[in-house]
Amino acid sequence: DAKTTQPTSMDCAEGRAANLPCNHSTISGNEYVYWYRQIHSQGPQYIIHGLKNNETNEMASLIITEDRKSSTLILPHATLRDTAVYYCIVRVTSGTYKYIFGTGTRLKVLA
Amino acid sequence: NAGVTQTPKFQVLKTGQSMTLQCAQDMNHNSMYWYRQDPGMGLRLIYYSASEGTTDKGEVPNGYNVSRLNKREFSLRLESAAPSQTSVYFCASRGGTGNQPQHFGDGTRLSIL
Repeated sequence: DAKTTQPTSMDCAEGRAANLPCNHSTISGNEYVYWYRQIHSQGPQYIIHGLKNNETNEMASLIITEDRKSSTLILPHATLRDTAVYYCIVRVTSGTYKYIFGTGTRLKVLA
Repeated sequence: NAGVTQTPKFQVLKTGQSMTLQCAQDMNHNSMYWYRQDPGMGLRLIYYSASEGTTDKGEVPNGYNVSRLNKREFSLRLESAAPSQTSVYFCASRGGTGNQPQHFGDGTRLSIL
């Protein structure tokens, strides 16, 4: 599984877009990018995933570069409730289907 | 729809005691997973079950055993608890094929004295 690199922490003003980057330079052609978040010590919450096309759902947008070596999670209008640790995970869609978690990005949304 | 349910939510054990953590999912998922999370770290896979009747080791299986009781339930057992097993334990399940995401429970906070 490809390793991911994320900034340790970020701040974002409430109501503004939060852009969380992730580098996955060793990603393989069949590996998807997943984003989860963890609020306080709750279980990780699934946000979005994608392979090579940009994806959007009710929570966020995922932008994957053309070479697939990096991606950005976009929360379009951050609220205080979006304060959490955000994990970017790259996982191959075969075998164990296991995730390898890094330490994530601690996003703090400021009032 | 409860999703993934873990019991208990909190537990304190003494060194050497045994304990079974329970996990049940109501999404008819085939695959189930057990992770542990230590302070300031991401989750690490302990064991997983790709389907009913099968289990396999993850990254940190030592000191643990698992049972896939049926399609819904996947339990994690500590036979002789050690302080190093103090952690938050998360269960997850995954359905479908290929790229479907895992869905997590809210965790069991386990302290071993």
